[in-house]
Formats: sequence, C-alpha cells, structure tokens
Amino acid sequence: AQSVTQLDSQVPVFEEAPVELRCNYSSSVSVYLFWYVQYPNQGLQLLLKYLSGSTLVKGINGFEAEFNKSQTSFHLRKPSVHISDTAEYFCAVRALNNTDKLIFGTGTRLQVFP
Amino acid sequence: SQTIHQWPATLVQPVGSPLSLECTVEGTSNPNLYWYRQAAGRGLQLLFYSVGIGQISSEVPQNLSASRPQDRQFILSSKKLLLSDSGFYLCAWSFYNSPLHFGNGTRLTVT
Repeated sequence: AQSVTQLDSQVPVFEEAPVELRCNYSSSVSVYLFWYVQYPNQGLQLLLKYLSGSTLVKGINGFEAEFNKSQTSFHLRKPSVHISDTAEYFCAVRALNNTDKLIFGTGTRLQVFP
Repeated sequence: SQTIHQWPATLVQPVGSPLSLECTVEGTSNPNLYWYRQAAGRGLQLLFYSVGIGQISSEVPQNLSASRPQDRQFILSSKKLLLSDSGFYLCAWSFYNSPLHFGNGTRLTVT
C-alpha cells in the first residue's frame, strides 16, 4: 500500500519570499506523484505531476517540484510567492500497478502575508 | 472538453435523514469515478471508486454507499446520516494513469 506524509500542516510566509512544501511518500512499487491546490470551498486543481523522465517538474502558477527516489520525496517549491498563492496544497501518490487509486496527504495550508 | 458537475453545493441535513449526492461527467466515456471526503484538518479520504457501471470499490466501511447506474453518473448515498458524516464531499474522474479532475464539492452539515 502507498502512503503520503506532509509534515507541515501550516506554512506561513511573507509575500515574495521563497517557499517549500514538503512531501514524503511510502511505496513498495514505483509511483506517479501529484501536487494539487485547493482554494476555499472549491475542488482540487492539479498543479503538477511526475509520471516519468526528468525529476524536476514544472507546473502552473510558477510552482515546481523535484522527485527524489532515494529520499522518497516530492517537495513543492516556488521562488517568490504571491498573496494569491494562499491555499491548501495536497501531495498525492498513485502506484504504477494500481492506477485506479490516488492517495492524498493531509495537506499543507500555505498562508502568504503582505 | 470534459466537465464534471456535482450537486448540491451545500446541504444541511438532520441526523437520521437520508442522503443522496450526485455527480455527472460530460464529454468522455467510461471514466474512473471517485468519491472523497474532506473533514476539517484530515486531508482527503477516499470513500469509493468505480471503474465501470455497477462496479464499486469501497475503501472505508461506514455509513455510506455508492452506486454507478450509468457510465457517467456516480451517486453517494446514506440511509441514515450521522453527525460524523459532516464534511466536504468531492467527486472526481480520471482515465487509467491520468490525473484526477475534481468537481467543486458539496459541503454537508449534519445537525
């Protein structure tokens, strides 16, 4: 079975500062990895995904993430955040041999202050 | 293009009452369909998923059930709601190894 750990439940940061949201996963098989963003009272929107190839993945809104197989991590980064980036961010994993299920972490609340 | 519709957006129901939440997908056929629940501070919990009509996999034994009467329709139901059923319910669809696409969710409050 797969699991996802997002160590930080909340990350406060000032506008224009860099940010990293951490995600670690556990799986006995190879996986696909995803980051989603959720704005208040809305569904989830895909930020980026890692399926194969380059370990550095670029997504929407200036976010990027790096897949590190040895550390089983998929941390999300942005070099300069905006107020509008305030939202909940979810990391998710899907096993290559069971692509029916997507398992989510508990989420990280990013709060950007002016 | 594909779209996913989920309704109602908000719902307030008394304990012991029945529940029916509906989700439909347009612009595609034979998608995988999912129901997730998001409780405050607990992330997203996969409740049910379906890979075809009449095929339902339950992830967590509980007070809820799901049905897929048509290819692009997914229904979440309960015969008698509990207080603990309160939460934000999200429907989603995907193909094979593609990302999930989510609806806008239903905020359920059981009083």
